[in-house]
Amino acid sequence: QLQLQESGPGLVKPSETLSLTCFVSGVSIRSDTYYWGWIRQPPGKGLEWIGNIYYSGKNYYNPSLKSRVTISVDTSKKQVSLKLNSVTVADTAVYYCVRGFYFDTSGLYPLSAFDVWGQGTMVTVSS
Amino acid sequence: DIQMTQSPSSLSASVGERVTITCRASETVNHYLNWYQQKVGKAPKLLVYAASSLQSGVPSRFVGSGSGTQFTLTITSLLPEDFATYYCQETYTTPPGTFGQGTKLEIK
Repeated sequence: QLQLQESGPGLVKPSETLSLTCFVSGVSIRSDTYYWGWIRQPPGKGLEWIGNIYYSGKNYYNPSLKSRVTISVDTSKKQVSLKLNSVTVADTAVYYCVRGFYFDTSGLYPLSAFDVWGQGTMVTVSS
Repeated sequence: DIQMTQSPSSLSASVGERVTITCRASETVNHYLNWYQQKVGKAPKLLVYAASSLQSGVPSRFVGSGSGTQFTLTITSLLPEDFATYYCQETYTTPPGTFGQGTKLEIK
């Protein structure tokens, strides 16, 4: 059974780097039928997509975060990592690790959705 | 960038009622539209993908429809466990990711 488990510090100081890892169990971390991503949710607010990493190794990031974010995969450790540097209080949020599954690749664009989510980990940015 | 707008932002309904949530895209997303349900303190859960396809294990009272720029999620007969916040997400753009702002469904 596929499970995603996020881990990392719950408190980060302003201007420092937020680093989270997501351990993937129950499925191969490398497959061309899915990709991995991170989504965050500030307290009391909606969902914000952070970025994705694909089987090809290519990354796509939210333009509003692109200059500060890095997502990577460590196949040997079965982990997906998120690094967000120069954090501010606005980065305080629950961070979710997600799997993007390709339901259909026969069309003009692949059809996908985030079908598996980690439980989320709360990160507070505060001095 | 494509903007996703949900309406209403919140609504109150009773158990057994039929409710409909709307998601509008600022430009066409074809049928590349997903719906998620999030209960308080929990991670979101995929309900519907490709506008109208029910994710495995999701009850048939959840019905997605629409194409282009206008989409709806209908719950045909509300159960107590359906009170939650619902989000739409377009996956037409590269990369996929943009969510609507959410619709909070509360018990009347």
